Amino acid sequence: GDSVTQMEGPVTLSEEAFLTINCTYTATGYPSLFWYVQYPGEGLQLLLKATKADDKGSNKGFEATYRKETTSFHLEKGSVQVSDSAVYFCALRGTSYDKVIFGPGTSLSVIP
Amino acid sequence: ETGVTQSPTHLIKTRGQQVTLRCSSQSGHNTVSWYQQALGQGPQFIFQYYREEENGRGNFPPRFSGLQFPNYSSELNVNALELDDSALYLCASSWVGGADYEQYFGPGTRLTVT
Repeated sequence: GDSVTQMEGPVTLSEEAFLTINCTYTATGYPSLFWYVQYPGEGLQLLLKATKADDKGSNKGFEATYRKETTSFHLEKGSVQVSDSAVYFCALRGTSYDKVIFGPGTSLSVIP
Repeated sequence: ETGVTQSPTHLIKTRGQQVTLRCSSQSGHNTVSWYQQALGQGPQFIFQYYREEENGRGNFPPRFSGLQFPNYSSELNVNALELDDSALYLCASSWVGGADYEQYFGPGTRLTVT
């Protein structure tokens, strides 16, 4: 079945460092791909998305490119801030409308 | 535009009891999905309701059941609670039928089973 794999956390970075969180997926057909963020004590917020191969999703300085040849959707940010500290989830929606499949999440801590 | 809301925020129940969680969909949305997020894990799909009927189900036992009402609000019911049911329960609403499917999540209900 469809699945999502993310790099293990937690990740700790200094402010203004470069961030990469790796994500790979397994799915039939052409899934839509998402990154969600969850701040402490809150629900999920959609950070960015891409719906077809080679699309680049971007929001708040974060970017991810849908790479079908490597089945990847890595999250990047050039300069992280303390306020970016959160848990990040890679996710996909397959050919069925009925569910979004999430990875296990990667916890990010940014220190001043 | 009103976002997705859930109630209650927190809940403590005893093993064997029953619980009902509520979700109010975002205005204009016709579909609601429920997810269970155990501590330190990603959300797991429970089921989805579209136009008041179950439209898909994940790997959860029948004691997890749901309802969707004509105003597209929804309930998640869990019978015979077990300790492992302790989790954050998230609902998400969406508009199925549009060109750009996207789920909008509520803040969640934290259920603790003792």
